[in-house]
Amino acid sequence: DTGVSQNPRHKITKRGQNVTFRCDPISEHNRLYWYRQTLGQGPEFLTYFQNEAQLEKSRLLSDRFSAERPKGSFSTLEIQRTEQGDSAMYLCASSRDRVYGYTFGSGTRLTVV
Amino acid sequence: GIQVEQSPPDLILQEGANSTLRCNFSDSVNNLQWFHQNPWGQLINLFYIPSGTKQNGRLSATTVATERYSLLYISSSQTTDSGVYFCAVVETGANNLFFGTGTRLTVIP
Repeated sequence: DTGVSQNPRHKITKRGQNVTFRCDPISEHNRLYWYRQTLGQGPEFLTYFQNEAQLEKSRLLSDRFSAERPKGSFSTLEIQRTEQGDSAMYLCASSRDRVYGYTFGSGTRLTVV
Repeated sequence: GIQVEQSPPDLILQEGANSTLRCNFSDSVNNLQWFHQNPWGQLINLFYIPSGTKQNGRLSATTVATERYSLLYISSSQTTDSGVYFCAVVETGANNLFFGTGTRLTVIP
């Protein structure tokens, strides 16, 4: 069990560019979650997958955001036409079930300049 | 939606002191976790505790689900305990973890 892995750890991009982040969950966990955390705030839920199915999306997930989990293993989160307001820490978590503990990755810190 | 409030919002302790952090939630939950977020942003899972009491070294936690609160106890605090402590819950019937407002702890030598 190597934990939840996220790449890259840091990303600096120019406004208007597209970025993609990757999350590798714990292998036996079928649930995967994306969260966003801005400075001084707690993490906020973005979206959730059970296996390869995206079952829930927060209203925070604008149409510039898209997430996939094609084979029910790793997931990607893409942000198109980035804006300065997208600057945040993007966290991925996985769990075996909603009533079990969630394990978080180290996050990807995005800075849009 | 569910409300999760933590108190105090900020806490400064002398090394070696004890403290109690509180988490109140407004509706029934079937999952509650305490996390420590270190200065590098890593969320460390401290306890999965939807009910009852657990202890892990200098830390312990108690959740009284019927009264909708949880407590995190830190004894003999160390400077490495500094950071933000979050309580997070999964509301009954929901699928995602909802985070509280956090307690920022600073332990000074």
